[in-house]
Amino acid sequence: NAGVTQTPKFRVLKTGQSMTLLCAQDMNHEYMYWYRQDPGMGLRLIHYSVGEGTTAKGEVPDGYNVSRLKKQNFLLGLESAAPSQTSVYFCASGMQGANTEAFFGQGTRLTVV
Amino acid sequence: RKEVEQDPGPFNVPEGATVAFNCTYSNSASQSFFWYRQDCRKEPKLLMSVYSSGNEDGRFTAQLNRASQYISLLIRDSKLSDSATYLCVVNGDFGNEKLTFGTGTRLTIIP
Repeated sequence: NAGVTQTPKFRVLKTGQSMTLLCAQDMNHEYMYWYRQDPGMGLRLIHYSVGEGTTAKGEVPDGYNVSRLKKQNFLLGLESAAPSQTSVYFCASGMQGANTEAFFGQGTRLTVV
Repeated sequence: RKEVEQDPGPFNVPEGATVAFNCTYSNSASQSFFWYRQDCRKEPKLLMSVYSSGNEDGRFTAQLNRASQYISLLIRDSKLSDSATYLCVVNGDFGNEKLTFGTGTRLTIIP
């Protein structure tokens, strides 16, 4: 099983450029999440989805958009990248319900110059 | 106040020692609690869930105190391979089921 796969693994962007991060899971999970991780800040939730066609804002949604057109995919878009968006981005998925494990992708290291 | 707070450490502990971490959470309606482990430059992975009655998995023991809103993790007979960052994770109440992470506690086991 591939589990949760993130594409790309590394990227360098110039300020103002746009890009899309792709997250794919093959576990038929309902819930999917996008986090960013910065030194000293821990993982902060950007957006999440509780099912196909639904999305919701997390703790730090500004500057990002998401889409969940298919159950297995959760896309994170940066419309106009800023240096403050330099971070490690993690996607995760989990089954419906409060007491379930979240499975993480390997992360995307994004640098905005 | 942060939703989930942890002592960031670092904890530098000799091999074979016992080490304990605590974590506090602010939402009294939280339903589920977990400890995740994250190795350097890797993704977080579930270490164990935390149950109301407390639970043990080998050398690891997790406790939950709902009245005081804190969670603890105890590692006995620590190994070099236990060196990692330990993340306290809290799930929201029903209808608000998103995972909130603490900033993590960094543990280094010294030979």
